[in-house]
Amino acid sequence: SAVISQKPSRDICQRGTSLTIQCQVDSQVTMMFWYRQQPGQSLTLIATANQGSEATYESGFVIDKFPISRPNLTFSTLTVSNMSPEDSSIYLCSALTGVNTEAFFGQGTRLTVV
Amino acid sequence: GQNIDQPTEMTATEGAIVQINCTYQTSGFNGLFWYQQHAGEAPTFLSYNVLDGLEEKGRFSSFLSRSKGYSYLLLKELQMKDSASYLCAVRDPDYKLSFGAGTTVTVRA
Repeated sequence: SAVISQKPSRDICQRGTSLTIQCQVDSQVTMMFWYRQQPGQSLTLIATANQGSEATYESGFVIDKFPISRPNLTFSTLTVSNMSPEDSSIYLCSALTGVNTEAFFGQGTRLTVV
Repeated sequence: GQNIDQPTEMTATEGAIVQINCTYQTSGFNGLFWYQQHAGEAPTFLSYNVLDGLEEKGRFSSFLSRSKGYSYLLLKELQMKDSASYLCAVRDPDYKLSFGAGTTVTVRA
């Protein structure tokens, strides 16, 4: 199993600013992902965080808006850039400890843009 | 891409059984997962099927038919704490999860 810690747990931000969310796993993991969960909706994959290289983004998400870093096997960051109220959402970090295991999730970061 | 359908809401009585169905159409399949999510919390893993058949874990069981693109989650001996959203998720060959919209289960006394 893996324990995933996300910081901050919540934030209220002004439009036009940026917020960086940190994700720390208590053990080395094979893969890390970032998801978004908009109010009342299910999870949507933003990107796969690749160690030492550029993240792989899903359709509708771009690096300029959601830059991602993954400097090692246990840590990743997601930045939400130039925020607008439409970015208000819960952002979740997820990790795989092995190829035939379930994905673990952090507790999420609840972002409100005003 | 992935298209995953599950009912929006279900209501059941404490002690009863509820079955949540999930149908999917995918461009690649590498397992089906069920997660439980309480309001304001992260999803927690319930079960995983990669081969056809039934997987049982205590009060929770999950079934998969790959040829039919169909799965269900069975919750037995319902308890009030089982009131939550249940998410069906399909994993692709790149280990990425696509989630259904979730089924909100309400357990009544």
